[in-house]
Amino acid sequence: DAGVIQSPRHEVTEMGQEVTLRCKPISGHDYLFWYRQTMMRGLELLIYFNNNVPIDDSGMPEDRFSAKMPNASFSTLKIQPSEPRDSAVYFCASSLAGWGAHEQFFGPGTRLTVL
Amino acid sequence: DAKTTQPTSMDCAEGRAANLPCNHSTISGNEYVYWYRQIHSQGPQYIIHGLKNNETNEMASLIITEDRKSSTLILPHATLRDTAVYYCMTPFGNEKLTFGTGTRLTIIP
Repeated sequence: DAGVIQSPRHEVTEMGQEVTLRCKPISGHDYLFWYRQTMMRGLELLIYFNNNVPIDDSGMPEDRFSAKMPNASFSTLKIQPSEPRDSAVYFCASSLAGWGAHEQFFGPGTRLTVL
Repeated sequence: DAKTTQPTSMDCAEGRAANLPCNHSTISGNEYVYWYRQIHSQGPQYIIHGLKNNETNEMASLIITEDRKSSTLILPHATLRDTAVYYCMTPFGNEKLTFGTGTRLTIIP
């Protein structure tokens, strides 16, 4: 398996533009997580899905952020409109189901810069 | 989940065992201890987890004290590639992982 795949790896955009980050989880994994990492706030969980259904989106900073998982092999995180404070590395992770299972496999991340 | 406390940074000589401590004095009976690491610019990587017994895998060993209030991650023969930030966490059930500031481990040649 290729592991968790994220695209693009780097994104530079201007304030006000729409940004879409993409993730392909490991095949067979029932959970998908979106994290954001900044120097100031560290690694934060934004939202996670179980069997394509959003379970907890309490970490999504505001309405400008939205995430979807239309099928088991694809998820998107969208920021519209983007702001400079959204600049961060965004990680996607996936894991197998199971109560108490926390072995997550992370992708390489997308480094987002909003000018 | 129980609060964890880790040293901010540690150094270890290449080839020696790196011992990373973690305190989790408020851990409950059903909370596992999980360790991840993050090498610079990469996504976090799962290392190992345990409940009560000591655990070992191809990456590391996890030693949990009998009262479960602290644990130690052991990298038996540290290499330069083990330089990373190491996170200790104690999620309960389906509770989400909470990454703190971790321990920045530097392996010295």
